Amino acid sequence: DAEITQSPRHKITETGRQVTLACHQTWNHNNMFWYRQDLGHGLRLIHYSYGVQDTNKGEVSDGYSVSRSNTEDLPLTLESAASSQTSVYFCASSVSSYNEQFFGPGTRLTVL
Amino acid sequence: QKEVEQNSGPLSVPEGAIASLNCTYSDRGSQSFFWYRQYSGKSPELIMFIYSNGDKEDGRFTAQLNKASQYVSLLIRDSQPSDSATYLCAVRGSGYSTLTFGKGTMLLVSP
Repeated sequence: DAEITQSPRHKITETGRQVTLACHQTWNHNNMFWYRQDLGHGLRLIHYSYGVQDTNKGEVSDGYSVSRSNTEDLPLTLESAASSQTSVYFCASSVSSYNEQFFGPGTRLTVL
Repeated sequence: QKEVEQNSGPLSVPEGAIASLNCTYSDRGSQSFFWYRQYSGKSPELIMFIYSNGDKEDGRFTAQLNKASQYVSLLIRDSQPSDSATYLCAVRGSGYSTLTFGKGTMLLVSP
């Protein structure tokens, strides 16, 4: 079955380290998204991509970057992790801009 | 700034009752509306979507959209304890391809 996976599921890192969270989908969806979810803020969009070589900034993109080299993957990189980036990160994908998004299982990141 | 507002709850209903979850949005030109359910510690899962004014039914769930009043609601009939979760409203605004999520309403269904 087609699916969307994220790895690692849990990560503890130190302030200042570079961290990369992986997202892989087998639906052949063009659109992929990264969100963070924090108490009191709900889901906030970090970055998104409409296809290979396309990336766009979302509402809370500072300190994060993404690259899209193929259809299946959209890795999220924290260039220099900060304690404020402790959160649960969700990847999502959709077949087009007008369709529903499907979410991966999430990655819980703790920055000490 | 696009805004999507939901009452945080918790909304408590007895088993078998109808649960009514509401969502208002600020962008009058919004086109698409989605309801997601999120169990504690899990990822959001799509329940249903609605694009046109009126009601859309899917099993025990009914989505209602009123674009003139800028609100969308989700009714859950015959609520079950397994429906206890946080329900997220998401809106795609005019000219935008991304979704804006509300903060969610926690629903508690007591046996």
